[in-house]
Amino acid sequence: SAVISQKPSRDICQRGTSLTIQCQVDSQVTMMFWYRQQPGQSLTLIATANQGSEATYESGFVIDKFPISRPNLTFSTLTVSNMSPEDSSIYLCSVEGAPYEQYFGPGTRLTVT
Amino acid sequence: KNEVEQSPQNLTAQEGEFITINCSYSVGISALHWLQQHPGGGIVSLFMLSSGKKKHGRLIATINIQEKHSSLHITASHPRDSAVYICAVRIIQGAQKLVFGQGTRLTINP
Repeated sequence: SAVISQKPSRDICQRGTSLTIQCQVDSQVTMMFWYRQQPGQSLTLIATANQGSEATYESGFVIDKFPISRPNLTFSTLTVSNMSPEDSSIYLCSVEGAPYEQYFGPGTRLTVT
Repeated sequence: KNEVEQSPQNLTAQEGEFITINCSYSVGISALHWLQQHPGGGIVSLFMLSSGKKKHGRLIATINIQEKHSSLHITASHPRDSAVYICAVRIIQGAQKLVFGQGTRLTINP
């Protein structure tokens, strides 16, 4: 199993600013996933982060808006840049164990005013 | 059409009732997950299925690969079961990613 922590758990930010969300896993994992959950919606994959390589972004998400770092096998950050109220969402990181088990962080609830 | 469809979207029941949530998918999958999300936002994986049936306490999950359909059942429902239940499939093609259903909001009244 894997235990995932995220920081911050919630934040209220002003439009035009940026927020960096941290995701820490208690074991080494190859891939980490970042999701966005807009109010009343299900989860949408933003990007997949592999250690030592560029993140792979899904359609509709770009690196300039959501830069991701993955410095080692237990840690990743997602930055939400130049925020607007439309970025108000829950942001979750997750990892996949073997075989195919999914583990999710507690989420970061972001409100942009 | 979404690749993963859940029904119903909302379900309200009385404590003790038998609950069924359905999930249909249209893509080839390597696994199907049932997830539970409480109001605080955290997500817990309830089941991971690739075939057959699994049971954990009052929860039962089944999958029919040929019909591309899965069900989550809750027996003797309790108000603490109130949550959003999400079906997610791990697609075979391409990257190892999950595709999520829209979720079913379940409310169990005492």
